[in-house]
Amino acid sequence: EAQVTQNPRYLITVTGKKLTVTCSQNMNHEYMSWYRQDPGLGLRQIYYSMNVEVTDKGDVPEGYKVSRKEKRNFPLILESPSPNQTSLYFCASSLYSGSELGEQYFGPGTRLTVT
Amino acid sequence: RKEVEQDPGPFNVPEGATVAFNCTYSNSASQSFFWYRQDCRKEPKLLMSVYSSGNEDGRFTAQLNRASQYISLLIRDSKLSDSATYLCVVASGGYQKVTFGTGTKLQVIP
Repeated sequence: EAQVTQNPRYLITVTGKKLTVTCSQNMNHEYMSWYRQDPGLGLRQIYYSMNVEVTDKGDVPEGYKVSRKEKRNFPLILESPSPNQTSLYFCASSLYSGSELGEQYFGPGTRLTVT
Repeated sequence: RKEVEQDPGPFNVPEGATVAFNCTYSNSASQSFFWYRQDCRKEPKLLMSVYSSGNEDGRFTAQLNRASQYISLLIRDSKLSDSATYLCVVASGGYQKVTFGTGTKLQVIP
C-alpha cells in the first residue's frame, strides 16, 4: 500500500529535550516536506527536499532541522524544543516532474506538546 | 499581504446547493495550483489540481486565472459528505516551495 508514515503519532515532551519525528514514504517520491498546523494559521511549510541531500527552508524553519540521506526518509529534528513548537505536524511526499509538483500524499500527523 | 488568501467562512449551505470558493495568490511566478480537502484535523487529501484551461471532476470544477492571480473551486449539488475545510495550495519557485491558504470551512446542512 502506497503510504507516508510518521512516528510517533503523539508526543508530550519537556522544553529542551531533543526529539526526532520520523517520516518515511514507499512511493519513490523525489519531493518531501514538513508542515506544522496551528489554529487560525493553517499549514505552514517548515522544510522541504527536492531529492537526496537537497533541502531548503520553508516559511517557518527556525528551531527545526532536517536531513535527507535516503530518498524514502525525511526526519524532522527539534534540537531544543520550546512550548511554541507545540503543534500538529504533517509530513508529505510527492512526485516532481522538473517543472511541476504533483499530488502531495500526507502522513497521518504527529501531535506534539512541549511543556 | 498573505501569499495565499482564502475566505475562512464558514459557508453554511443546504444540501443540493452550489457553492463557490475563491483564493488569491501574490506570487506571479507560481507554477502549480491545487485544492485539498481536510476533515477535522486529519491529513489533507488532494481534491484536484488546477489548470489554466479549467478542469472538472464530477461535481467539482476548478479554474485558474493567472492574469488576476486567483483560483476558484465550484461545488455543485452539495452533499452532506462535502462538509470539510477546503485548502487552496500554491507551489512556487524552482524548488517548489509550497504555501497553503488558511482554508475555507464548508458545512452542508440537511
